[in-house]
Amino acid sequence: NAGVMQNPRHLVRRRGQEARLRCSPMKGHSHVYWYRQLPEEGLKFMVYLQKENIIDESGMPKERFSAEFPKEGPSILRIQQVVRGDSAAYFCASSPRKGGDGNQPQHFGDGTRLSIL
Amino acid sequence: SQKIEQNSEALNIQEGKTATLTCNYTNYSPAYLQWYRQDPGRGPVFLLLIRENEKEKRKERLKVTFDTTLKQSLFHITASQPADSATYLCALNAGNMLTFGGGTRLMVKP
Repeated sequence: NAGVMQNPRHLVRRRGQEARLRCSPMKGHSHVYWYRQLPEEGLKFMVYLQKENIIDESGMPKERFSAEFPKEGPSILRIQQVVRGDSAAYFCASSPRKGGDGNQPQHFGDGTRLSIL
Repeated sequence: SQKIEQNSEALNIQEGKTATLTCNYTNYSPAYLQWYRQDPGRGPVFLLLIRENEKEKRKERLKVTFDTTLKQSLFHITASQPADSATYLCALNAGNMLTFGGGTRLMVKP
């Protein structure tokens, strides 16, 4: 039973390039959450998606960041024109039902470490 | 403002002792509170969920309490082992999302 799969595990980009982070949820899970973790800081919520819908993007920066969860394929977090401050670990989590209200555990991947040169 | 506070200093204990970690929150009224474990370079792993109407929950060597009056949760690991060394995160619901505390690093020495 595969867990949440994120790739790549490490991604290096130069300032101004685009970063695409992929997340395949656990089998049977249709709810996906993205979090960002800066060094020595906690996990910060970014966006909550269901298949083909963005449910809550209140934690996403207004510019350069976007997320999708298409009918087929993984969820994608896209960062355009990356800057040094985007360097962080990005984690994806999934749940079988709506877990954002706290009544369901979230299952996390091992993250993508994004480094901006 | 809303805050979730965990002791940012590492907790060092001797193997076999009970570790107690604290999670305090302000300006939240969560219906649920969760605890996760995170190892370096890995994603968080779910441990326990406790509901607002539950005072205490246990799972093997783990015990969680939830006091909505004090706005506090305590997380206990009894008979601690070096393998329990990790960062422990508390999280509570706020709207559509889980909001996490900054975590407490636990070091269990043999």
